[in-house]
Amino acid sequence: QLLLQESGPGLVKPSETLSLTCTVSGASMRSVDHFWGWVRQPPGRGLEWLGSIYFAGNAYSNPSLKDRLTLSVDPSQNRFSMTLYSVGAADTAIYYCARVRRRAARPGPHDFWGPGTQVTVSS
Amino acid sequence: DIQMTQSPPFLSASVGDRVTITCQASDDIRSFLNWYQQKPGKAPRLLIFDSNILDTGVPSRFSGSGSGTDFTFTINNLQPDDVATYYCQQYESLSPVTFGGGTKVEI
Repeated sequence: QLLLQESGPGLVKPSETLSLTCTVSGASMRSVDHFWGWVRQPPGRGLEWLGSIYFAGNAYSNPSLKDRLTLSVDPSQNRFSMTLYSVGAADTAIYYCARVRRRAARPGPHDFWGPGTQVTVSS
Repeated sequence: DIQMTQSPPFLSASVGDRVTITCQASDDIRSFLNWYQQKPGKAPRLLIFDSNILDTGVPSRFSGSGSGTDFTFTINNLQPDDVATYYCQQYESLSPVTFGGGTKVEI
């Protein structure tokens, strides 16, 4: 059974760095048919795609985050991570990790999700 | 960015009703359109991918259709368990992948 679990700090100070890790169990991250991704949801709002990364390291990120977001993957440890720099109040959200099916040679539907982790940016 | 305009933002229906949600893309996304269900306090769940393909284990009362810029999501025989917010998502463009604003379905 595939399981994904996010981990990281629940509280981050403004201008600091947020790092989250997603641990995958029940499947290998070296699947050629999948990417691994991040989506967030601000309180009371809709879903925002952050990015997706392949086990080989090829990554796609949301341009709105410009140079603030870095994605990384460690298939040997069955985990992948995101780092968001210079956080502000607008980065307060539930952060989800997900497995992403590779369709038409691109990241497609997000078919398995972690339960999500709440991150609050506040001093 | 490709904007996804989802409507209505909220709908109330009765058990057994047919419910329809639409999603309009600001540019041609071919059939690269997915639908998700999100219940309160839970992660989203993939229901339909590539416009009309039901994901594994999803009840057949859910269906999707469309291509290009106009898409439809339908729930036939609405059940109490279907109370949730539904989102469309396009992945034709990865700069960025975008979601619709959501439709909250109540009974």
